[in-house]
Parts: sequence; C-alpha cells; structure tokens
Amino acid sequence: DAKTTQPNSMESNEEEPVHLPCNHSTISGTDYIHWYRQLPSQGPEYVIHGLTSNVNNRMASLAIAEDRKSSTLILHRATLRDAAVYYCIVRNSGGGADGLTFGKGTHLIIQP
Amino acid sequence: ETGVTQTPRHLVMGMTNKKSLKCEQHLGHNAMYWYKQSAKKPLELMFVYSLEERVENNSVPSRFSPECPNSSHLFLHLHTLQPEDSALYLCASSHLQGNTEAFFGQGTRLTVV
Repeated sequence: DAKTTQPNSMESNEEEPVHLPCNHSTISGTDYIHWYRQLPSQGPEYVIHGLTSNVNNRMASLAIAEDRKSSTLILHRATLRDAAVYYCIVRNSGGGADGLTFGKGTHLIIQP
Repeated sequence: ETGVTQTPRHLVMGMTNKKSLKCEQHLGHNAMYWYKQSAKKPLELMFVYSLEERVENNSVPSRFSPECPNSSHLFLHLHTLQPEDSALYLCASSHLQGNTEAFFGQGTRLTVV
C-alpha cells in the first residue's frame, strides 16, 4: 500500500466543519483512498472511500485532488461524538488479501 | 454493532496459560484479519486469511497461532505470552476486493501478567 502522511492532531469547534488532509504522493492508478476512524476504546470504523471523483455519504465527504496525490475528509458539522483518530489509507483495488495498513492517523479534538 | 463479534472483550492471563480469542462474522466476507494495537502505536496487521487460507504472517512470534476453520470464524490461540504482548487485539473482515470496506470487531483487551 502507498504511504500516507497526515497531521498528528487537529482541533475544531463543535458544529463547525472539519477538513482533515492526507497526502499520498506515491499513489498508483488502481489505488483507492479509504478513511477509517477509531473512537476511544473501540475498533476502527469505516468512514468513506473513493478512487477519482469526490464522494459523499451520510458520515462525511471525500474530496480528491485532480492528481490524486492528496485528499481531504470533510465532516460538515462536527459533534463531540466525532472526536476520534482518523486514518487515511491507500489500498490497491485487488488488495483485499493484503489487509489495511494503518499509520498513526490524525487525532481530532472537538471543543464544545 | 458492526457484524463482527469478538469474544472475550477482556482477558487477563498468566505467562504460562493457554487461551484463545474468537472472532465471528456473518457478513458473507471471504477475508479475515487479526490486528494488534499496543498503547500509543498504530495498528499492526498480524495475520490475513483469504478464502480460509493464511496468506500473510508479518513475522509474528509463534506464541500466536491463528486458525480459520471456516469463512465465518477466526481464532487466535495464545500460549506462553509475555507482558509486552498486552494489547488490544482486533479482528476484521472484508471482501477480497480492495475497493470495499472492512468491518472491525470491538476487540479483546488482553493483559498478560
């Protein structure tokens, strides 16, 4: 899996939008960009994934740069329950047998 | 509830004990994984099972022994562990394609005394 770079931590206020960046400059053409998050004392939870186009779901939006070397996870209106470690992972389309390679992620702190 | 169930949730064992962790999924997935998460460290992939065959073993010590008897169940057998093996052990499952999501269990918090 391609290596990713994320800030160690970010802080935001409740009910504000949050933009979590990720760099993946060595991504290949068949790699998908996945985001997971891990709340305290829980296993990681899938958030969203995409290939080239921006993606939206009920949890978040994923904005992918045109050259695919970076992406941004967008939480439109953060709540205290969004405080977690967010992981950006690049995974090959045929990579189910490789598992997911986690980095240190971004620790998101939400202030009330 | 993710559809991946791990038992037990907490386990304390002595260094001479033998115990097993269990993972179960009924999501129709054909790949299952064991991860280890030590304090303040990233998740480490330990074992991968694809179609019930082990496909990866990331230099995990032999005191950890996985078993996948069928596509829905995964075990991690533990024996003669060390205190540094204390960690959160997470099970996950997914389809084999890389463009699908993985589902994680809640983990087993293991303490070796």
